[in-house]
Amino acid sequence: EAGVAQSPRYKIIEKRQSVAFWCNPISGHATLYWYQQILGQGPKLLIQFQNNGVVDDSQLPKDRFSAERLKGVDSTLKIQPAKLEDSAVYLCASSPDPGVGEQYFGPGTRLTVT
Amino acid sequence: AQKVTQAQTEISVVEKEDVTLDCVYETRDTTYYLFWYKQPPSGELVFLIRRNSFDEQNEISGRYSWNFQKSTSSFNFTITASQVVDSAVYFCALSGTAGGTSYGKLTFGQGTILTVHP
Repeated sequence: EAGVAQSPRYKIIEKRQSVAFWCNPISGHATLYWYQQILGQGPKLLIQFQNNGVVDDSQLPKDRFSAERLKGVDSTLKIQPAKLEDSAVYLCASSPDPGVGEQYFGPGTRLTVT
Repeated sequence: AQKVTQAQTEISVVEKEDVTLDCVYETRDTTYYLFWYKQPPSGELVFLIRRNSFDEQNEISGRYSWNFQKSTSSFNFTITASQVVDSAVYFCALSGTAGGTSYGKLTFGQGTILTVHP
């Protein structure tokens, strides 16, 4: 079974530029998550989707971050405009449903904002 | 609000030593899940174990064992006879079950960096 796929793996941009990350979850997983992991910290949830609907985006900085999961499969996370403090690893995870508990993570996208 | 505390920032051991990683949690949910994840240098978080709050039996899987004590809100992880390949960052995490305020949402600790020297 293929795991969670993410691209790109690395991205370097200047502040005020925009960037987008893509995630393809494990086939059949209805729940998709985006996390932000700043160096030296644990992952922090940004947004949770159930199929193509948003369940929780309370920690998403909506003035600059947006995310969508139009067909209930792939998802895109966008930052516009980026700030220096957005430098982090962005992790995508999926789960068959929230009640299962465990989530399966992709390799992440390491973003550096200069 | 949920909180997970991993007080050990870094641990360094020599191969074949046993090592215990501590995890303490706070939650108002009456039922919840506890997890341990491993993050090797490649960066991908690898699921190790899930424990239901109503199941306080300790679990052993090969060289790994977990000690869950609800009375002290702790879920500690022990690696027996550590190996160099165990070097990674280990995260403890907590989520609520159905009906809880944190249903399906993982709250992670800060992580413990484990280095196993040959």
